[in-house]
Amino acid sequence: GAVVSQHPSWVICKSGTSVKIECRSLDFQATTMFWYRQFPKQSLMLMATSNEGSKATYEQGVEKDKFLINHASLTLSTLTVTSAHPEDSSFYICSAMPPGQLHSPLHFGNGTRLTVT
Amino acid sequence: LAKTTQPISMDSYEGQEVNITCSHNNIATNDYITWYQQFPSQGPRFIIQGYKTKVTNEVASLFIPADRKSSTLSLPRVSLSDTAVYYCLVGDIPSSASKIIFGSGTRLSIRP
Repeated sequence: GAVVSQHPSWVICKSGTSVKIECRSLDFQATTMFWYRQFPKQSLMLMATSNEGSKATYEQGVEKDKFLINHASLTLSTLTVTSAHPEDSSFYICSAMPPGQLHSPLHFGNGTRLTVT
Repeated sequence: LAKTTQPISMDSYEGQEVNITCSHNNIATNDYITWYQQFPSQGPRFIIQGYKTKVTNEVASLFIPADRKSSTLSLPRVSLSDTAVYYCLVGDIPSSASKIIFGSGTRLSIRP
């Protein structure tokens, strides 16, 4: 149980274009999802917390106008990288936690490899 | 925030037992300790979680001393497929899930 799916698994886009990444909780409803970014050989860095029905909370240094997060339903959060540039190339990962379960571990998607050319 | 410290890398051989220790001196009363495994180009995968003493599941054991300032992930009889990065996370879910910080992780390499 507690499966989190990301789509696409990889994407290549041209500089200046926008790309949308989806994160779905397949067998549970998630009021909160998290978005991370991971550069090669580095750890995961939390970008933002996505809250269903309200605005996302961004970590310091993350541009909210560049990384648009929408959590319109209890099973879907999307991250849109707007006006992408080569420095946005990275591995983006989402996570979610099943509601109502104290101390339940976070469940992660399989990530999306973004390459901006 | 409970910061964690792990060895950057470890090497071992197939069939050996591997123990990875994580230090978390500032662990709070409500914090749980969770270990994840990450393969290249994949999201982290949950391995085991515990609060105190010992927890065992089908893939690993987690040892937590009484003061809870450290924890040890034990992988019995590792194989080549256990080569991955292992992260120790400390925090209280759901109240402080957004404050859980990924440390550098331990890059485990298993040799034949």
